[in-house]
Amino acid sequence: DGGITQSPKYLFRKEGQNVTLSCEQNLNHDAMYWYRQDPGQGLRLIYYSQIVNDFQKGDIAEGYSVSREKKESFPLTVTSAQKNPTAFYLCASSIDRAEPTYEQYFGPGTRLTVT
Amino acid sequence: RKEVEQDPGPFNVPEGATVAFNCTYSNSASQSFFWYRQDCRKEPKLLMSVYSSGNEDGRFTAQLNRASQYISLLIRDSKLSDSATYLCVVNIGGSNYKLTFGKGTLLTVNP
Repeated sequence: DGGITQSPKYLFRKEGQNVTLSCEQNLNHDAMYWYRQDPGQGLRLIYYSQIVNDFQKGDIAEGYSVSREKKESFPLTVTSAQKNPTAFYLCASSIDRAEPTYEQYFGPGTRLTVT
Repeated sequence: RKEVEQDPGPFNVPEGATVAFNCTYSNSASQSFFWYRQDCRKEPKLLMSVYSSGNEDGRFTAQLNRASQYISLLIRDSKLSDSATYLCVVNIGGSNYKLTFGKGTLLTVNP
């Protein structure tokens, strides 16, 4: 089955530790994205990548880092510099095509709790 | 005007009712519009893309009004399973990659 997988579903960390969230897709999509969602808030874009070995900052990139070494994988590292890391993290992907309709498909998300 | 603004609701309707959601957006250059649904503590799932001519998928109809900068979603014959948060999504700033999500409208369909 094609889809996007994120692991783990729940993650608990102590303050001051870096943590890496996994995102893998087998949809052969070119672009991948990371969002965070806080209660009562809309999704906010952290980073996105249009092609392998290239990525751009989104609206709230501070305290996060990413890599895109393979088309299928786009891991997100939440560093100790991120002031409020507790959130629901969502990975998405989309096909890169000419039409101006880039539907994004989401993985099941990782709930990160930092105490 | 906020980039993407939705009525937060909540909307409580009986089964079989027709319900409509509206969403306004700020950037007149926006080209891509979507409705997603999100169940509690789950990921958003694409419900429909919204095209200039309007589009329908079963009980769901989406409309785009570029002049007034709003999109709408109409759900006919509501089912219990339609209970969810509906997210209005627009590409803001001319980038096809950067989508802006509204905060969502909560719908509860009651038996």
